[in-house]
Amino acid sequence: AQSVTQLGSHVSVSEGALVLLRCNYSSSVPPYLFWYVQYPNQGLQLLLKYTTGATLVKGINGFEAEFKKSETSFHLTKPSAHMSDAAEYFCAVTPTGAGANSKLTFGKGITLSVRP
Amino acid sequence: EAGVAQSPRYKIIEKRQSVAFWCNPISGHATLYWYQQILGQGPKLLIQFQNNGVVDDSQLPKDRFSAERLKGVDSTLKIQPAKLEDSAVYLCASSRGAGRLYEQYFGPGTRLTVT
Repeated sequence: AQSVTQLGSHVSVSEGALVLLRCNYSSSVPPYLFWYVQYPNQGLQLLLKYTTGATLVKGINGFEAEFKKSETSFHLTKPSAHMSDAAEYFCAVTPTGAGANSKLTFGKGITLSVRP
Repeated sequence: EAGVAQSPRYKIIEKRQSVAFWCNPISGHATLYWYQQILGQGPKLLIQFQNNGVVDDSQLPKDRFSAERLKGVDSTLKIQPAKLEDSAVYLCASSRGAGRLYEQYFGPGTRLTVT
């Protein structure tokens, strides 16, 4: 079975500082990987995804993530945090085996706070 | 393009009562998902529909939860009777197809509080 680990439940950074949110997956075969953002009282929005090809993936709002098979990681980064980035971030995986469906398995999420 | 619509947005009920949630997916989306998001956790898939057929309901507590998607469009999720541990946000999502590369679009969710 696949699983996702997001270390820590809360990250706080200063405005303009680097954002780094960690995600590690457990799977016998590299899955498809996703990052979603959830603003208060809203649904989830896709930030970026990795399926195949280039391991550095760029998403919306200046975020990017790098798939590292050797480390089973897909960490999310942004060079300079903005106040509007304050939200909850979820890493998710979906299986890639033959016949597998699109079921997403989510991590428990990380709350990002941005200090002025 | 209108997004995924859900109602109600908030619901408070007492344990052992019944409750129903409604979801209207994005027009043309064949696949519909219901997720349960308990406070402090990531969303967990309850049930997935492809048109009006069930693809995956392995994590749906079938003794109290039921869901239907009549005519392959709108969907309702029902809980009867509710328990305290059902307090959560119920998210509906839809996608064009069931394949892994189809993006899932999420609605705003229904926050259920069971007292």
